[in-house]
Amino acid sequence: GESVGLHLPTLSVQEGDNSIINCAYSNSASDYFIWYKQESGKGPQFIIDIRSNMDKRQGQRVTVLLNKTVKHLSLQIAATQPGDSAVYFCAVSTGGGNKLTFGTGTQLKVEL
Amino acid sequence: EPEVTQTPSHQVTQMGQEVILRCVPISNHLYFYWYRQILGQKVEFLVSFYNNEISEKSEIFDDQFSVERPDGSNFTLKIRSTKLEDSAMYFCASSELLQGRGYTFGSGTRLTVV
Repeated sequence: GESVGLHLPTLSVQEGDNSIINCAYSNSASDYFIWYKQESGKGPQFIIDIRSNMDKRQGQRVTVLLNKTVKHLSLQIAATQPGDSAVYFCAVSTGGGNKLTFGTGTQLKVEL
Repeated sequence: EPEVTQTPSHQVTQMGQEVILRCVPISNHLYFYWYRQILGQKVEFLVSFYNNEISEKSEIFDDQFSVERPDGSNFTLKIRSTKLEDSAMYFCASSELLQGRGYTFGSGTRLTVV
């Protein structure tokens, strides 16, 4: 099976700083990775995804880095804003399938 | 932006009762899913549905659970005889492609079994 874990349950950053949220996965056959943001009372909101044939992907203010050697995934948020405060989950899919295995989530707190 | 719509937002039911959670996936999506999240825990996969049949299900998805796409727009999750431990947020999701972009979640139904 697959297990997915995040390194820190809570991350506090100052507004304007960069945030890095990390995730580790166990299955080397994992081939698709998604970062989700979840605000209180809402469903997971897609942020960015990456496939296993890539090491890096950039979006608007976000970058996902994938290190398949150590089975590690990170989400970088540039110039963190108060609106970025939420729980962030990584989710992993394996073997071309469509089932997502979620990590436990990191609560990002942005301090003014 | 297209949304996955779930109703009701909150459902309270007595133990042993049947509940049906409803979802309207994004219209051009082909794959449909149910996940659940017990309070304070991670989101867990329940079932995926494609071409009018279950394509994969987890150990959680036992005989008490069933899914149905009764018409061209709705996707439902039925729990036949609810237990206290079924209390959770239930999220519906849909995607256009297998492992594709647009894997979109609804806002969830909070099920409380008393």
